[in-house]
Amino acid sequence: NAGVTQTPKFQVLKTGQSMTLQCAQDMNHEYMSWYRQDPGMGLRLIHYSVGAGITDQGEVPNGYNVSRSTTEDFPLRLLSAAPSQTSVYFCASSYEGRGAETQYFGPGTRLLVL
Amino acid sequence: GQQVMQIPQYQHVQEGEDFTTYCNSSTTLSNIQWYKQRPGGHPVFLIQLVKSGEVKKQKRLTFQFGEAKKNSSLHITATQTTDVGTYFCAGATTSGTYKYIFGTGTRLKVLA
Repeated sequence: NAGVTQTPKFQVLKTGQSMTLQCAQDMNHEYMSWYRQDPGMGLRLIHYSVGAGITDQGEVPNGYNVSRSTTEDFPLRLLSAAPSQTSVYFCASSYEGRGAETQYFGPGTRLLVL
Repeated sequence: GQQVMQIPQYQHVQEGEDFTTYCNSSTTLSNIQWYKQRPGGHPVFLIQLVKSGEVKKQKRLTFQFGEAKKNSSLHITATQTTDVGTYFCAGATTSGTYKYIFGTGTRLKVLA
């Protein structure tokens, strides 16, 4: 199993550009989530999904969209990038997401918005 | 909104010394998880605590969950250079959505 994979590893965007961060898992996990990590602020939940076709907002959803058409994939879309979205983005998955399972994190995507 | 605070923010210890990080939530948690993140890496799950007053051990690591399920601690005995990294707690809310709120983390440096 590859676990949780994320692409790209690094990305530089100009303000106003759009892009999609990809996340995929091959563990048949129902629960997937996106976090952003900024210095001194830990990880903050952006969006999460409890299964295909079901998504919900986390702590900091503004400026981001998600969809979950398959169990395996959970892309994060930045509609119009802003410098405040410069961060490291982590995708995570777990088996049922009912608060009783390990979250497996991907390697992260480092995003710089100029 | 719900907040999870961790103290200290940074800790430098001599190899062989003990280390403790504390996690405090503004609301009652259904469970709490602990993660370790090496510099430049991603969070890696260490353990989960569910029951009030629960204590779990992993070799030199001891994890506790408070009686009120609002605080937790991680204690490392006789630190080693391999313990270097940032330790995060993550609390699951009791709202039924099970969204995890991460603490701010404690960065540990171990001096050889």
